[in-house]
Amino acid sequence: GENVEQHPSTLSVQEGDSAVIKCTYSDSASNYFPWYKQELGKGPQLIIDIRSNVGEKKDQRIAVTLNKTAKHFSLHITETQPEDSAVYFCAAWMDSSYKLIFGSGTRLLVRP
Amino acid sequence: NAGVTQTPKFQVLKTGQSMTLQCAQDMNHEYMSWYRQDPGMGLRLIHYSVGAGITDQGEVPNGYNVSRSTTEDFPLRLLSAAPSQTSVYFCASSYSSYEAMNTEAFFGQGTRLTVV
Repeated sequence: GENVEQHPSTLSVQEGDSAVIKCTYSDSASNYFPWYKQELGKGPQLIIDIRSNVGEKKDQRIAVTLNKTAKHFSLHITETQPEDSAVYFCAAWMDSSYKLIFGSGTRLLVRP
Repeated sequence: NAGVTQTPKFQVLKTGQSMTLQCAQDMNHEYMSWYRQDPGMGLRLIHYSVGAGITDQGEVPNGYNVSRSTTEDFPLRLLSAAPSQTSVYFCASSYSSYEAMNTEAFFGQGTRLTVV
C-alpha cells in the first residue's frame, strides 16, 4: 500500500550539533518529496523539497538527500539553533493515485 | 492574498451532531485536500480534490463527506460526529493537478475539533 515511514519520532540535540531525520516510501512511482516544519499551534510549512531527478538539494543549513533505489530520503539540519525546535514531517507524492502522503512526524528539540 | 483560510478554529460537538468545516483558498489552486492530525500518527489524508467537481478518498475517509463545487472552496462534513473524530483538521491546497507536477502545499491554520 501507500506508506511513508519516518524515524525517529523524537530527537534531542545540543545547539550547534546536526540533526538527521530519515524517511522511506513504498510507491516506486513517487516523484516529489517535500519536508514540512510545524510550529506549535500552526499549520505545516514547506522548508525544502526534492524531485526524483535530483539526488541532493541544499538551502543554507538544510539539506535533503534522495536514494530512489532504496526508496529512502533524509533531512539534514546543520548548526542547529533553538528556533529549529519544532515537529518535522516528510511526505511523498504518490503519482499513481495523486495523493500526498505524510510520515508520522519527528519532534526535534534543540537544547541551548 | 489570504492563502488558505479555515473556519472555525475551535469547535466542540456532542456525539451524533453534524457540522461542516470550511476551507477556502484564493490562490486559484486546483488541488485541495483535508488531513487530520493525531498525536503520534502524523497527518492522515481524509479526502482530496484535483479540481472543481472531482473528489476522491484518502487514507481515512470513513465518517466524512466532501464536495467541490468551486475552485476556491472545499468543505468537509461530519454527518454524525463520534469521539474518534476528535482531532486537529488541516486543509491544504496546491497547484498540483493531473497535468502538472506536484508543487508546494499550503496549509490552513487548522480546526481543533472535540467530540464529547
